[in-house]
Amino acid sequence: DVKVTQSSRYLVKRTGEKVFLECVQDMDHENMFWYRQDPGLGLRLIYFSYDVKMKEKGDIPEGYSVSREKKERFSLILESASTNQTSMYLCASSSTGGTEAFFGQGTRLTVV
Amino acid sequence: QKEVEQDPGPLSVPEGAIVSLNCTYSNSAFQYFMWYRQYSRKGPELLMYTYSSGNKEDGRFTAQVDKSSKYISLFIRDSQPSDSATYLCALLSGNQFYFGTGTSLTVIP
Repeated sequence: DVKVTQSSRYLVKRTGEKVFLECVQDMDHENMFWYRQDPGLGLRLIYFSYDVKMKEKGDIPEGYSVSREKKERFSLILESASTNQTSMYLCASSSTGGTEAFFGQGTRLTVV
Repeated sequence: QKEVEQDPGPLSVPEGAIVSLNCTYSNSAFQYFMWYRQYSRKGPELLMYTYSSGNKEDGRFTAQVDKSSKYISLFIRDSQPSDSATYLCALLSGNQFYFGTGTSLTVIP
């Protein structure tokens, strides 16, 4: 069974903290994505990666960075967490030429 | 203008009703059209995908694409309480997915 695993389901962090969200896929997919999902705004792309050590900005990269040192792992970093980054964060992966994005269960992050 | 527009609802229907969910898009280059279903506190999962114009049926679900109008639809027949979820349309261009905002559906027993 294909799987995208996010390290935490729920996180509570304080304003100003550096936050790491980890995502691992076991499908040998080239492409990995980080989205945030907010009511009324849908899925918004933060960053994506087409290969190891490659990264591209999505629609809302401000306040975030990413790291992809290994093919199966894609990390999202909140450099200095702020309350407006409270959201559901979803990681996804897909194969090059594939027609399906596989999602993790999501991490609900609350910044207080 | 957003690449994909979707009515967010919410939509509430009685069990057994026919449900119609719709999206419009702006870029005629899109070739693959998908519907994802997302249950509460879960990640989205692919429900159906179609390539180019036409209809595709899978059980109680029918996906329809009209490229001339840039309009995609998902029909659910004989809706069940287990269909209660958020439905997101998605379009694929290259390796990039473009998602609608999602329509929240509740099927009342």
